Amino acid sequence: GAGVSQSPSNKVTEKGKDVELRCDPISGHTALYWYRQSLGQGLEFLIYFQGNSAPDKSGLPSDRFSAERTGGSVSTLTIQRTQQEDSAVYLCASSLAWNTGELFFGEGSRLTVL
Amino acid sequence: AQSVSQHNHHVILSEAASLELGCNYSYGGTVNLFWYVQYPGQHLQLLLKYFSGDPLVKGIKGFEAEFIKSKFSFNLRKPSVQWSDTAEYFCAVNEHGSSNTGKLIFGQGTTLQVKP
Repeated sequence: GAGVSQSPSNKVTEKGKDVELRCDPISGHTALYWYRQSLGQGLEFLIYFQGNSAPDKSGLPSDRFSAERTGGSVSTLTIQRTQQEDSAVYLCASSLAWNTGELFFGEGSRLTVL
Repeated sequence: AQSVSQHNHHVILSEAASLELGCNYSYGGTVNLFWYVQYPGQHLQLLLKYFSGDPLVKGIKGFEAEFIKSKFSFNLRKPSVQWSDTAEYFCAVNEHGSSNTGKLIFGQGTTLQVKP
């Protein structure tokens, strides 16, 4: 596609349920990032994939969060046993190469945990 | 740990006023520096970037930023703002030439409101 595609755009879930958020990066982009955007908190780095290298998971806030990237393309961010503090907009971005710094962002997935 | 601070959380200006948004980072090594912008209802997009060379960087829509290494700063400026500059602005940093280069760290963001 022309841009980074994320789904769902909106997700409302109950506390304790698991959620999966999907990101389809720009074709040919080798780097893929997940960030979390909360009101007043800016963009919080979660995880970063570069090609076939082991991902940088240093930003994942707890072991309830995990992400995978299949075939070097589509990525899924999974949040298990959701908590209210997980409510945020989850942004995915991709980049042509790991060292350009030019990230192309999707529209985000807004997660609300009741 | 590397961090980025944006001191102005919410700025309100009238059209034609000059703009300067502050950004400071904590990392002591060589860095790459960026400003991203998010217009209402749109994606985050790159405004300008600094990797090396002339510390005064020019970006799109008349924006510029100056890297001052001794102050660990990368402030964003525009001589005369327009109503269409209303947006949220994010400063970002990554480490140059290390295994962490791919990891872009963002500041908290500054909301700019320009009154017509």
